[in-house]
Amino acid sequence: GQNIDQPTEMTATEGAIVQINCTYQTSGFNGLFWYQQHAGEAPTFLSYNVLDGLEEKGRFSSFLSRSKGYSYLLLKELQMKDSASYLCAVRDGDYKLSFGAGTTVTVRA
Amino acid sequence: EAEVAQSPRYKITEKSQAVAFWCDPISGHATLYWYRQILGQGPELLVQFQDESVVDDSQLPKDRFSAERLKGVDSTLKIQPAELGDSAMYLCASSLAGGPADTQYFGPGTRLTVL
Repeated sequence: GQNIDQPTEMTATEGAIVQINCTYQTSGFNGLFWYQQHAGEAPTFLSYNVLDGLEEKGRFSSFLSRSKGYSYLLLKELQMKDSASYLCAVRDGDYKLSFGAGTTVTVRA
Repeated sequence: EAEVAQSPRYKITEKSQAVAFWCDPISGHATLYWYRQILGQGPELLVQFQDESVVDDSQLPKDRFSAERLKGVDSTLKIQPAELGDSAMYLCASSLAGGPADTQYFGPGTRLTVL
């Protein structure tokens, strides 16, 4: 199977910056996705990287290094509503999407 | 904004009973996925459809689970008989064509509790 690792939990203060790391080992690579999932709700799409480098989308940015099997999701100007689980998902050589266990981010006032 | 619809949102059943979940993907999306998500874990693919055909059901416990997408639009996932270990969130997702840059969009899920 695929191996996708991300930290279990992170805590940060409102207005701060948090970086969620994801490392992966897959059979082939066809892109990496980040999803946000609030408790009891469905995952919602945040970002997609297939080439090395940084993709910026408002307060959220995602970085990919294919040679290192590494990605991070950067959340800036944290807001209380950003408290959620963040899922790293990798599409392998067969175009199958495998998810990490998720990182629960808690934003404190 | 188009969304993936699922019903019911919550289901409580006793073990050995049969349960069924329904999913209506975003209009025009040819690819449909069923995932199971156990609390504290990421979603795990159960079955993938391309139109009405099964593309991948390698992780579907076929002795008790079945899925169909008869007309290539909405889909039903069935469990018979349900077991305690089936308690989880069942998520349906759809994508336009299942290609390289294709993004999967998820429905609200069905939370199953087996007593």
